[in-house]
Amino acid sequence: AIRITQSPSSLSASTGDRVTITCRASQGISSYLAWYQQKPGKAPKLLIYAASTLHSGVPSRFSGSGSGTDFTLTISCLQSEDFATYYCQQYYSYPRTFGGGTKVEIK
Amino acid sequence: EVQLVESGGGLVQPGRSLRLSCAASRFTFDDYAMHWVRQAPGKGLEWVSNISWNSSTIVYADSVKGRFTISRDNAKNSLYLQMNSLRVEDTALYYCAKVGSIGSPGAFDIWGQGTMVTVSS
Repeated sequence: AIRITQSPSSLSASTGDRVTITCRASQGISSYLAWYQQKPGKAPKLLIYAASTLHSGVPSRFSGSGSGTDFTLTISCLQSEDFATYYCQQYYSYPRTFGGGTKVEIK
Repeated sequence: EVQLVESGGGLVQPGRSLRLSCAASRFTFDDYAMHWVRQAPGKGLEWVSNISWNSSTIVYADSVKGRFTISRDNAKNSLYLQMNSLRVEDTALYYCAKVGSIGSPGAFDIWGQGTMVTVSS
């Protein structure tokens, strides 16, 4: 199984900050990587797929980059509604695997 | 609005069975592969199983292989997860999720609200 290592596991930031979350795959996954946002008590929501393609309706302050084994999610200007937990996921092979999550908290 | 609605969760004793359902609406259900993903209380996301649009391809996580069975009824726009020999460690919120692309691997663009399964004596 492809292991996905996500870091950091949590971070504290202020509104307006630039935030970066990384995921590293244990083997190459081309660009078959997605990013999800999950708020407490809610289902995950797709933010980015194919490593860098913004899902419909997602604000442009979210961006993704990377290919192969190293990937990054960037929130350019953190808004109050962005405080949540973020997960990356590979869909290159089975079993599908998720990163451990990054909880973005208010500083 | 495209929607997935799970049902069938509940409290069950170890070793017993439960069947989850996921009702799809407002999209062409039989065009898309579907997945089950679970989340134990306070934990991260764990992929459980996948079924292709025509049920020809089915894959399971090792943690549920031989105990869980995924199926779908395209005529009823429904996805199912039959869970047998349940264990305490299967306790989780179970989500169904739709793949965002047709005919190729895809991210999960639509998720249901989840149904809670609690396995306890």
